[in-house]
Amino acid sequence: AQSVTQPDIHITVSEGASLELRCNYSYGATPYLFWYVQSPGQGLQLLLKYFSGDTLVQGIKGFEAEFKRSQSSFNLRKPSVHWSDAAEYFCAVGYMDTGRRALTFGSGTRLQVQP
Amino acid sequence: NAGVTQTPKFRVLKTGQSMTLLCAQDMNHEYMYWYRQDPGMGLRLIHYSVGEGTTAKGEVPDGYNVSRLKKQNFLLGLESAAPSQTSVYFCASSYSDSQPQHFGDGTRLSIL
Repeated sequence: AQSVTQPDIHITVSEGASLELRCNYSYGATPYLFWYVQSPGQGLQLLLKYFSGDTLVQGIKGFEAEFKRSQSSFNLRKPSVHWSDAAEYFCAVGYMDTGRRALTFGSGTRLQVQP
Repeated sequence: NAGVTQTPKFRVLKTGQSMTLLCAQDMNHEYMYWYRQDPGMGLRLIHYSVGEGTTAKGEVPDGYNVSRLKKQNFLLGLESAAPSQTSVYFCASSYSDSQPQHFGDGTRLSIL
């Protein structure tokens, strides 16, 4: 069964510092991957997506993520964090070569930003 | 741009009561999904639909039923609510399984 692991439940960074949120997925030949962000009391908003091609993908709000097949990872990065980035972040994976027609979400990483 | 609209936004039920959550999307998406979100567990898929008139079970379908009579609507029903169903419920829709999902703002459901 497909699975997604976000090893960090909670991360605190200082405003202006760099950020990396980790995501590991169970092996699959042709995964497609997403990062979503959720602010308190809101639904999930898409940050970026990977289907194929360039392994470094750019998203909204200055975020990027790198797909590393050898490590089964899709880590989210931002060079300089802003206070408004405080939220919960979810990684999700699907596979094109299985019968499952839905994504599997990680358990989330809550980001706190210190002034 | 309404996107995905969920009603109601909040509801309190007593154990054993029934209710229906409504999800409506105006993007002509084929796929629709119902998730529940509980602290520390991320989003878990309850049921989903790949088109009008179709439904399929997700990871945690027990105690829930769904219907997709119209393409734009996806209903989630609780026939006999239990305290374990206290959660925040999210609806989402997408063009296909490999396309990004668009989420509603959620329904906070408490069962006493």
